[in-house]
Amino acid sequence: DGGITQSPKYLFRKEGQNVTLSCEQNLNHDAMYWYRQDPGQGLRLIYYSQIVNDFQKGDIAEGYSVSREKKESFPLTVTSAQKNPTAFYLCASSLDARNSNQPQHFGDGTRLSIL
Amino acid sequence: SQQGEEDPQALSIQEGENATMNCSYKTSINNLQWYRQNSGRGLVHLILIRSNEREKHSGRLRVTLDTSKKSSSLLITASRAADTASYFCATDPDVYNQGGKLIFGQGTELSVKP
Repeated sequence: DGGITQSPKYLFRKEGQNVTLSCEQNLNHDAMYWYRQDPGQGLRLIYYSQIVNDFQKGDIAEGYSVSREKKESFPLTVTSAQKNPTAFYLCASSLDARNSNQPQHFGDGTRLSIL
Repeated sequence: SQQGEEDPQALSIQEGENATMNCSYKTSINNLQWYRQNSGRGLVHLILIRSNEREKHSGRLRVTLDTSKKSSSLLITASRAADTASYFCATDPDVYNQGGKLIFGQGTELSVKP
C-alpha cells in the first residue's frame, strides 16, 4: 500500500535536546511538507520541499530544520531553539508542486511533548 | 498566516440531518480544498474545487465556491455517526505562484449523534 509513514507516534523531548521526526513516503511524490498543529487549531506550515536537495521555509520555521537528501524522506529536527515544541506534527506530500491543483496526502502524525 | 476562517467552530447534529460548514478567505486563489481529520489522526483529502468552478459533488458531499464573496461551503447530507471529525478548508493562494503551498483554516468540529 502506498502512503506516508511518520515515526515515532509519540516523542518526548528533554530540555536543551534536539529531536528528529521521521517522514517517509512511497507515493513517488516530488513535494513534501511539514505542518504543526496546536490543540483546536488549524495547520501551520513549517518547511516544504518541492524537489530533492531543495527546501524552503514556511510560516513558522524558527527553531526547526529539515533535509531532503532522498525523494522518499523528509525528516524534521526540532532544535533546542524551539521554546514551545509541544504540538502535533504532520507530514504531507503531493505529486507535483508545480501543479497547484493537487491534493496533499498526510501521515498520521507525531505528538511531541516536553518532559 | 491564517487565510481561512471557518464557521461554525463546532457543530452538533443528529444522525440523518445535513451538516453545513462555511469557509471564508482573503486573497485570490487557484483552488480551495476540504479535508477531514479524525481525532489523533492525519488529514484526509475530501474535495478540491478550482477557482473557475462553482459547485462540486462527491457522494454525500457538496462543495460550493463563490469567488466574488471569497467563501466556500461544505454540505454533508444524511450525516452518519462516522462523519464525526474536524473539517478543514485549505486555500492555494495564487499570489505565491509556487504551486501546492496551502493555507489551512482553523476547522469546524462536527459531532453527529446516533
